[in-house]
Amino acid sequence: QKEVEQDPGPLSVPEGAIVSLNCTYSNSAFQYFMWYRQYSRKGPELLMYTYSSGNKEDGRFTAQVDKSSKYISLFIRDSQPSDSATYLCAMKDQGGKLIFGQGTELSVKP
Amino acid sequence: DAGVTQSPTHLIKTRGQQVTLRCSPKSGHDTVSWYQQALGQGPQFIFQYYEEEERQRGNFPDRFSGHQFPNYSSELNVNALLLGDSALYLCASSSGRGNYGYTFGSGTRLTVV
Repeated sequence: QKEVEQDPGPLSVPEGAIVSLNCTYSNSAFQYFMWYRQYSRKGPELLMYTYSSGNKEDGRFTAQVDKSSKYISLFIRDSQPSDSATYLCAMKDQGGKLIFGQGTELSVKP
Repeated sequence: DAGVTQSPTHLIKTRGQQVTLRCSPKSGHDTVSWYQQALGQGPQFIFQYYEEEERQRGNFPDRFSGHQFPNYSSELNVNALLLGDSALYLCASSSGRGNYGYTFGSGTRLTVV
């Protein structure tokens, strides 16, 4: 079993839809949770960063962490074609390395 | 303010050769990590450098080595290249243990033929 599981998609939605992206993890010691967006042939770009459980909102993006279920989510409201990218969840271990999910490929159609 | 800079952007090497990739961290960052990203996969941690020493290492063979310089820039060296080493190599910088997130460069795409 991988430490971090993420549905690779691909996921296709119409413009304006609400998008839900999810990851599960197995290591209960994880405390720092991140979502990265990666456009084709580019490096990952940090979108959201959460410490421990709870919700965090930034514009159209909301990140949720449920440590009791070992489950994290990213919601994108009013999705735009420019949101089309691969979304990677990542957890930071105590040593400082990031463990990534496989990434979910999202396509938002005009 | 420049972010993380990696060079070269693309590289083609032959099996058995050696390669060196370079990274300049974001201004104010002192920790550099390297990741390998195969096509369609998430990045895999190779190692992390802080204060010119390897602080943490992932599950990669000794053919992968690195170095951090006093100005915090870093190099990744791969010896005896295999076809399976073809991937996007990403450098990420942070302050300390990355409790405020990591900034990634655009990567070096290495093709081994």
